Amino acid sequence: DQQVKQNSPSLSVQEGRISILNCDYTNSMFDYFLWYKKYPAEGPTFLISISSIKDKNEDGRFTVFLNKSAKHLSLHIVPSQPGDSAVYFCAASERGMLTFGGGTRLMVKP
Amino acid sequence: DTGVSQDPRHKITKRGQNVTFRCDPISEHNRLYWYRQTLGQGPEFLTYFQNEAQLEKSRLLSDRFSAERPKGSFSTLEIQRTEQGDSAMYLCASSLADSSYEQYFGPGTRLTVT
Repeated sequence: DQQVKQNSPSLSVQEGRISILNCDYTNSMFDYFLWYKKYPAEGPTFLISISSIKDKNEDGRFTVFLNKSAKHLSLHIVPSQPGDSAVYFCAASERGMLTFGGGTRLMVKP
Repeated sequence: DTGVSQDPRHKITKRGQNVTFRCDPISEHNRLYWYRQTLGQGPEFLTYFQNEAQLEKSRLLSDRFSAERPKGSFSTLEIQRTEQGDSAMYLCASSLADSSYEQYFGPGTRLTVT
């Protein structure tokens, strides 16, 4: 069973607009949630994290929102830039072991 | 460059052969993790070490897989009697123990079993 799910395999956004990537989870024991960005032929790059006791964390153009009652998190990128085009993975941590979603390919069009 | 490094970047092997991969973590990180990623999927946890001790192993890690971190620095992952289903990207990550959720990944080793 998939404990972390990203239901949208791809997303296309115009440069300058907001990108919203979504993720759902089922395990209530997860203590941290993270977003990673991945370019082809590279390992995932850590972007932003949020503790399970918070509902929002912001870092520059990136904001992660956590809705524990809905077991849902989202990543907002504002404004989106062409360099943001990549595959984005959400991940959840339980005692330091990460469980990843299947990824969403974001394409930001100039 | 002080990031996580992995060697080799690519490995092609015939079914039944043994392969070994190496990971060098960020130097001050005491935790080291191995993940496997297949096409179109997110990485899947295999195992992790804190210093020399292997603290957790996934049920994905069959008896043909063994990992070591003998001096608490670099780690090796060996796959014996490789099968075609072992073809994947093998990713290594490292972290500090007190912020273990914040893991930094290497570029991966892509294994192709023919």
